[in-house]
Amino acid sequence: NAGVTQTPKFQVLKTGQSMTLQCAQDMNHEYMSWYRQDPGMGLRLIHYSVGAGITDQGEVPNGYNVSRSTTEDFPLRLLSAAPSQTSVYFCASSYSGPGQGNSNQPQHFGDGTRLSIL
Amino acid sequence: AQSVTQLGSHVSVSEGALVLLRCNYSSSVPPYLFWYVQYPNQGLQLLLKYTSAATLVKGINGFEAEFKKSETSFHLTKPSAHMSDAAEYFCAVIPGGSQGNLIFGKGTKLSVKP
Repeated sequence: NAGVTQTPKFQVLKTGQSMTLQCAQDMNHEYMSWYRQDPGMGLRLIHYSVGAGITDQGEVPNGYNVSRSTTEDFPLRLLSAAPSQTSVYFCASSYSGPGQGNSNQPQHFGDGTRLSIL
Repeated sequence: AQSVTQLGSHVSVSEGALVLLRCNYSSSVPPYLFWYVQYPNQGLQLLLKYTSAATLVKGINGFEAEFKKSETSFHLTKPSAHMSDAAEYFCAVIPGGSQGNLIFGKGTKLSVKP
């Protein structure tokens, strides 16, 4: 049981490049989410999904796209990388999310992807 | 807007001393509250959660937190700090019960001096 797996762990990009951060979970969780962590800012929600085929925006969605074609996978795409997107990105999953009942279920976090954009 | 405030971005205690990390929330409806811990270069792990059952919540590693509605607080405590407690701690809230996403505070970095 691997939990939440994020790849890659580190990445350096040039401004304007695109890339996809991968996230997979093996716990059959319906709710998945992406956060970015910046010093002194805590974690801010980028996008989330309450199930396959359903995604929604969080607090800071601009410049990012997501899709959820399967329960297990929730990739995050940077369309045209900018230096302001230099951050540590965390994927998380839980049994259920907002409005789904039992939304007090704790989220399980991956180990993060450290992304630098030059 | 719903929010959570952690007082003190850095807290330093001596080994064996009391740990007190402060968290206040704003919510018109009793929220769900969580404390997470992040060790260096790792993701977040759940320490404990409050979901409207007992107001004193016990978590892992000897930590506990007390929900005080009158003070809109959910402070994290541990009677005796260990060196291994050095980490960053995040308070988080799901405002208004079950309808919102998790909102994190900005974090408090705990240092433990020998």
